Amino acid sequence: GENVEQHPSTLSVQEGDSAVIKCTYSDSASNYFPWYKQELGKRPQLIIDIRSNVGEKKDQRIAVTLNKTAKHFSLHITETQPEDSAVYFCAVLSSGSARQLTFGSGTQLTVLP
Amino acid sequence: DGGITQSPKYLFRKEGQNVTLSCEQNLNHDAMYWYRQDPGQGLRLIYYSQIVNDFQKGDIAEGYSVSREKKESFPLTVTSAQKNPTAFYLCASRKVGGESFFGQGTRLTVV
Repeated sequence: GENVEQHPSTLSVQEGDSAVIKCTYSDSASNYFPWYKQELGKRPQLIIDIRSNVGEKKDQRIAVTLNKTAKHFSLHITETQPEDSAVYFCAVLSSGSARQLTFGSGTQLTVLP
Repeated sequence: DGGITQSPKYLFRKEGQNVTLSCEQNLNHDAMYWYRQDPGQGLRLIYYSQIVNDFQKGDIAEGYSVSREKKESFPLTVTSAQKNPTAFYLCASRKVGGESFFGQGTRLTVV
């Protein structure tokens, strides 16, 4: 099955700085890569996603880049704010008939005021 | 709320007892999923269903059972065979094309 690795597991940045979280995956046929934000005790919420026919996607302060050849994708948050503090998960949708999301282990982002 | 509802929010189970977690969606999604989340960890797939009356085991299905008699409903039973059931359980549904929506979660505790 799909194997997704996420780094780092914890990340602290000063308010206003940028944060980058990286994920690698194993199945080269995978074609959908979402990122979720989860605040403490709450459900994960989709913040951005990218498909394999696109190399980069941006939504205000959040961007995702995808390198299909290297099988890795990254989340970039610019001008971080305290409300960005949360756990972020990458995910990969498997190819084939068993269409399921495999999640990374998560990154606890702390934005220091 | 994204149209997917889990209940109850908190659930307490005694040793040796089976409990059932409810998950209902009105999004007309074909696929539904159950994940388990332990403190400081990611989401691990328990079971999933891509169509009514069909479901597949995920990575950690032992000690759990599901049913999918209706498109809208995908209940999860935590059986007494699950030796360490204390966790946060998340249900999700997904539309064709990729985006998944999560329920609010059920926090299960063994007492």
